Amino acid sequence: QSVLTQPPSASGTPGQRATISCSGSSSNIGSRTVNWYQQFPGTAPKLVIYRNNQRPSGVPDRFSGSKSGTSASLAISGLQSEDEADYYCVAWDDSLNGPVFGGGTKLTVL
Amino acid sequence: QITLKESGPTVVKPTQTVTLTCTFSGFSLSTSGVGVGWIRQPPGKALEWLTLVYWDDDKRYSPSLKSRLTITKDTSKNQVVLTMTKMDPVDTATYHCARLYWYGSYWFFDLWGRGTLVTVSS
Repeated sequence: QSVLTQPPSASGTPGQRATISCSGSSSNIGSRTVNWYQQFPGTAPKLVIYRNNQRPSGVPDRFSGSKSGTSASLAISGLQSEDEADYYCVAWDDSLNGPVFGGGTKLTVL
Repeated sequence: QITLKESGPTVVKPTQTVTLTCTFSGFSLSTSGVGVGWIRQPPGKALEWLTLVYWDDDKRYSPSLKSRLTITKDTSKNQVVLTMTKMDPVDTATYHCARLYWYGSYWFFDLWGRGTLVTVSS
């Protein structure tokens, strides 16, 4: 059971916008920033959003992040087949004194 | 070029202790704000943070595994070592190390190693 809650799956057709939610509590998302990772099978996670809504260099601007209260969201606009992957949110938890991950969301591009 | 690579045994027996090494290049673990963490992922399951060590040798452990974990760093060798005791089949997972940047008000693991699969089986 992950500390942060994500839907197990999400989907969209090419060109559409997909959104993935991440729900936490006051000890993590409510008081800390959120990062998002993209992971393809058998590979290492790749940072796509940090500090709630910042994109690392090289990440397309189709990826965006937001946070409100104890929840955060990752949005991917103009969906492409190459976006099909697992996505994880993570935030620092002040009660556990370490990072906590979401359970991951498998994004399918139909 | 910044790289991290995990190494260690691929198979361990239940109750044994496993030692994993993260060897990195392209950055220094003596730089303020830098750390290295270990994160694992059981087959088909989610990521789970285990432990991390900061540039100043401050260490953090997952509360649920704290009694079984030890993390150490060797700045001169550019290595971070994870020791995990009392291995159990449920500990079968890919173990990743990752570089952490801590800016106070925000942080992130920006670069990860490919991971090493550790299988616990008799």
